[in-house]
Amino acid sequence: GEDVEQSLFLSVREGDSSVINCTYTDSSSTYLYWYKQEPGAGLQLLTYIFSNMDMKQDQRLTVLLNKKDKHLSLRIADTQTGDSAIYFCAEKGTALIFGKGTTLSVSS
Amino acid sequence: EAGVTQFPSHSVIEKGQTVTLRCDPISGHDNLYWYRRVMGKEIKFLLHFVKESKQDESGMPNNRFLAERTGGTYSTLKVQPAELEDSGVYFCASSQSQGEGNTEAFFGQGTRLTVV
Repeated sequence: GEDVEQSLFLSVREGDSSVINCTYTDSSSTYLYWYKQEPGAGLQLLTYIFSNMDMKQDQRLTVLLNKKDKHLSLRIADTQTGDSAIYFCAEKGTALIFGKGTTLSVSS
Repeated sequence: EAGVTQFPSHSVIEKGQTVTLRCDPISGHDNLYWYRRVMGKEIKFLLHFVKESKQDESGMPNNRFLAERTGGTYSTLKVQPAELEDSGVYFCASSQSQGEGNTEAFFGQGTRLTVV
């Protein structure tokens, strides 16, 4: 496909794990990113992964990369209400190419 | 250190009017990007400045949009005349250097433009 694809909504309960999936377009992308946008705020870089890696862990965040399938995922362990936000997957071309964003809703 | 700032945060204008959005990048960042998110859709690239030069403006939708970065500092994005489909959130981002390495792009909070 020509677009970076993400599911639009995800709803989880506090304390559960959240998994947000993304399919990107360019197998030659060197870096893949996850950005977070909280209400009324700008985009914040959450984490990124270099294309020669298949996993990266950073505290509660785990990024998995499947280059063969051009599939990227973000797992948030022990999801908190403060994690409620829109999460954007992006790949690096000459500029960043974003997906439509996944709205994560966390209920207590 | 101040981050990327955008002004105004919100703008509501009538169809046919002109609006100018401003972005102040992080001091010392040569790269400045404009992106736009139309509601419910992906964030789309509009253009990229390196200092005062337009490096890539392939994402600009049409000639109603004019971006400038005089002196290589702040940038403006003017929409004239505005149409209904121009409504959305306009993000600006800046980064320190370009190349194959990972250079984080810092985003502003966005300007929400509503054309009525």
